[in-house]
Amino acid sequence: ELKVEQNPLFLSMQEGKNYTIYCNYSTTSDRLYWYRQDPGKSLESLFVLLSNGAVKQEGRLMASLDTKARLSTLHITAAVHDLSATYFCAGMPMKTSYDKVIFGPGTSLSVIP
Amino acid sequence: KAGVTQTPRYLIKTRGQQVTLSCSPISGHRSVSWYQQTPGQGLQFLFEYFSETQRNKGNFPGRFSGRQFSNSRSEMNVSTLELGDSALYLCASSLPGTQNEQFFGPGTRLTVL
Repeated sequence: ELKVEQNPLFLSMQEGKNYTIYCNYSTTSDRLYWYRQDPGKSLESLFVLLSNGAVKQEGRLMASLDTKARLSTLHITAAVHDLSATYFCAGMPMKTSYDKVIFGPGTSLSVIP
Repeated sequence: KAGVTQTPRYLIKTRGQQVTLSCSPISGHRSVSWYQQTPGQGLQFLFEYFSETQRNKGNFPGRFSGRQFSNSRSEMNVSTLELGDSALYLCASSLPGTQNEQFFGPGTRLTVL
C-alpha cells in the first residue's frame, strides 16, 4: 500500500531564504502531486509530476521527481510571506485505482519577515 | 469556468443523526473523489466515482456511502454520526487522462455534537 511521508512537518523560515521540502513514498507511484492549502481553505493544485526527472517551476516554487529514489522535492527560493501555507504532496498507486490519491501529512510553512 | 462547488459549507449535527453532502464537479469532469480532513488523521481518501460507478473506496466504515448521478454530481452520506466524524469533507473532480489532476471544492465543515 502506498504511503507518503513528508519532512519537515513544520518549517519556519525567514523571508529571502531558500529551503526544500522532501516527500518520500513507499511504493511505485504513477504520478506525484503537490498542493497548497491556506488556513480554512481548500486545496490548490501546484504541480503534477509524471515521470522520472520531471522538474516544474512556478514563481518561487520548483518541484522535482526522482522515481528511482521515490523522492520528490519542493524547493522554495527567496521565500516571501505569501508562501505561508501548508503544502501537501500526494501520490497515486500504480496500476490501480484511478483517482485514489494518497496524501502525505503536509508541511506547515511559516515565512517570517 | 466554474469550479467545484460543495453544499452546504457548514453543518452542525448531533450524534446518531445522518447527513448528506453534495458536490458539483467542474463542467466536463466525470470523476469525483471525496476526502475527509482532520487535524489528527490528515487527508484521507473516502471514495471515487466515475460515470455513476464507485471505482475506489478508502478504509472507512460502511456508515460512509456515496453516489454519483448522470450529470456527474455526487453526494456522500454519513449515517449514525459519531463525534469523530467531525471534519472538513472535500470533494475533488478531474478529467480522465494522463495527469488526473484533481481540482478541489471549498469543502463542507461538519461538526458533530
